[in-house]
Parts: sequence; C-alpha cells; structure tokens
Amino acid sequence: AQKITQTQPGMFVQEKEAVTLDCTYDTSDPSYGLFWYKQPSSGEMIFLIYQGSYDQQNATEGRYSLNFQKARKSANLVISASQLGDSAMYFCAMRPGLGTGRRALTFGSGTRLQVQP
Amino acid sequence: DAGVTQSPTHLIKTRGQQVTLRCSPKSGHDTVSWYQQALGQGPQFIFQYYEEEERQRGNFPDRFSGHQFPNYSSELNVNALLLGDSALYLCASSSTAGANVLTFGAGSRLTVL
Repeated sequence: AQKITQTQPGMFVQEKEAVTLDCTYDTSDPSYGLFWYKQPSSGEMIFLIYQGSYDQQNATEGRYSLNFQKARKSANLVISASQLGDSAMYFCAMRPGLGTGRRALTFGSGTRLQVQP
Repeated sequence: DAGVTQSPTHLIKTRGQQVTLRCSPKSGHDTVSWYQQALGQGPQFIFQYYEEEERQRGNFPDRFSGHQFPNYSSELNVNALLLGDSALYLCASSSTAGANVLTFGAGSRLTVL
C-alpha cells in the first residue's frame, strides 16, 4: 500500500518570497511517481510537477521545483517568488510505476497555502 | 483545446436516490479515472476505465459503478445514496502514451440530504 503524509494543514507566505510544502511518502514499490497538484477554490486539480523515482535530477517547472530525497522518502514542493494567485490547496500524490499495471493516484490530505501581500 | 468537462457541476439528492455523473475527457485522451473528494480531504480513487472496461478499482462498494463509451467519455453511477456520499467527484483523463499526468475536471459537487 502507498501512503502520503502532508503535515502542514496551512501555510502563510509573503508575496515574492519562497515557500516549501512538505510531503513524505511510504511505499513498497521499487518504482513510483510523485506528483504535486494545486486545487484552487474552483475545485479543479491543476498538475504542477512530476518526479520519477529513478530520475537522477530534481524536477523543475518554472517557479516550481521538487526537492526529492529518496532515502528520506520526501518530495517537498518549493515555490519561488510567491504570487497572490498561488493561494490554494496543494496536494502531494504518488502512483506505482507504470510496469505494475496499477494506475491509481494516492493523495495526501493537502496543505492550504495563503499568500499575503 | 477543451480540457476535461464534467456535468452537472452541482446537484442535490436525497438518501436512497440514484445519481449519474458525466465526464468528457481531454481531446486525445483515452483513459478516464474517477475520484471522490470529501470535504477537507484529498481525493480517493474510485475506478479507472480504458477501452470501455474497468481496469482498476479502489475500495468503494458496488453501489458505485461506471461506464466508458466508444468516444472515451464516461459516466459514474451511484445507487442507494447515503449521506456520506456527499463529496466532490472528480474525473481525470490521461493518454496511454503520456500516462504519467492526469488532467482533472472541475468536478461535480454532490450533496445528499
């Protein structure tokens, strides 16, 4: 079974500052993928970034980067230069490697980020 | 390019009734997954459809059933509604080629009274 833990129910950050959202995971699968999604109040889950368990380098997508520490089983999301529009719920998720045939994403409980002007 | 479209956006039902939610995947996507998101929680996987067949199922009772049509669109049916079925139901699509990333719709918010 896979498990995702997000220990920060809520976070505040000043506009233009960087913020780190924590995510730890547990799995017995030898390969897996890690994802971060953003959910604004509208409800739609917006894909932000993906990291494969065998990827050598940490993933980056614009202002988003994923700090992947495999030995510690953590996959923290770093948002640089926060903007007011970044205020939303953020979910960490994982899925077994594609070779397993199992496709379901397992989500954490989320972190609500509020960006203050 | 339209993303994932879900309908209805909101609906209210009473206990014991049945509901059907609909999903049109993103253009080029052939796989549809359904998730239930209770208030204040992360989404939970219900099932996934590919080639009109249920490929994987989460820990949900048989009251939850689905269907995928030849045009890849999908329906989620819930029978004998319970108060605990009140949630946001999210549909996500993906392509076999790019199976890593799911594209989600805005969801259907179901309230059971």
